[in-house]
Amino acid sequence: NAGVTQTPKFQVLKTGQSMTLQCAQDMNHEYMSWYRQDPGMGLRLIHYSVGAGITDQGEVPNGYNVSRSTTEDFPLRLLSAAPSQTSVYFCASTPIRGGLGEQFFGPGTRLTVL
Amino acid sequence: AQKVTQAQTEISVVEKEDVTLDCVYETRDTTYYLFWYKQPPSGELVFLIRRNSFDEQNEISGRYSWNFQKSTSSFNFTITASQVVDSAVYFCALSQIKAAGNKLTFGGGTRVLVKP
Repeated sequence: NAGVTQTPKFQVLKTGQSMTLQCAQDMNHEYMSWYRQDPGMGLRLIHYSVGAGITDQGEVPNGYNVSRSTTEDFPLRLLSAAPSQTSVYFCASTPIRGGLGEQFFGPGTRLTVL
Repeated sequence: AQKVTQAQTEISVVEKEDVTLDCVYETRDTTYYLFWYKQPPSGELVFLIRRNSFDEQNEISGRYSWNFQKSTSSFNFTITASQVVDSAVYFCALSQIKAAGNKLTFGGGTRVLVKP
């Protein structure tokens, strides 16, 4: 199993550009989520999904869109990048049965918006 | 609303010293999960432990131990005989126990620096 994979690892954008951060998992987990990590603030939940076709907002959803057309993939779209979105982005997945267990995190994407 | 507070932003110790990381949480739920994650300098997040609110027994895993006290809403983490490889940022996190809408709320993290 590859676990949770994220691409790209690094990205530099200009203000106003759009892009999609890719996330995929091969563990057949129902639950997937996106977090951003900023210095001194820990990780904050952006969006999450409990299964294909179902998504919902987390703590900091503004400026981001998600979709979940398959169990495996959960892309995060930045519609119009802003410097405030400079951060490290982590995707995570976990099985739902039995309650929230260990969340498996991807390696992260470091995004810089100029 | 849930909240996790890790008051210590950075701790520096000399190798073989013990180090305790504090975690205090707030939640209105009577049942919930608590987690600790390690983030080494390489950046990935490594799961260390999950504890549900039903189980207040302390846990030990090698040099790691956890002290869960529901009465004080604390879930502290101790590294015994620290090693240089323990240098990392450690996050405490909290989640609801629900089939849907599970969300992890993280603390701000504590950076541990172990000097040789």
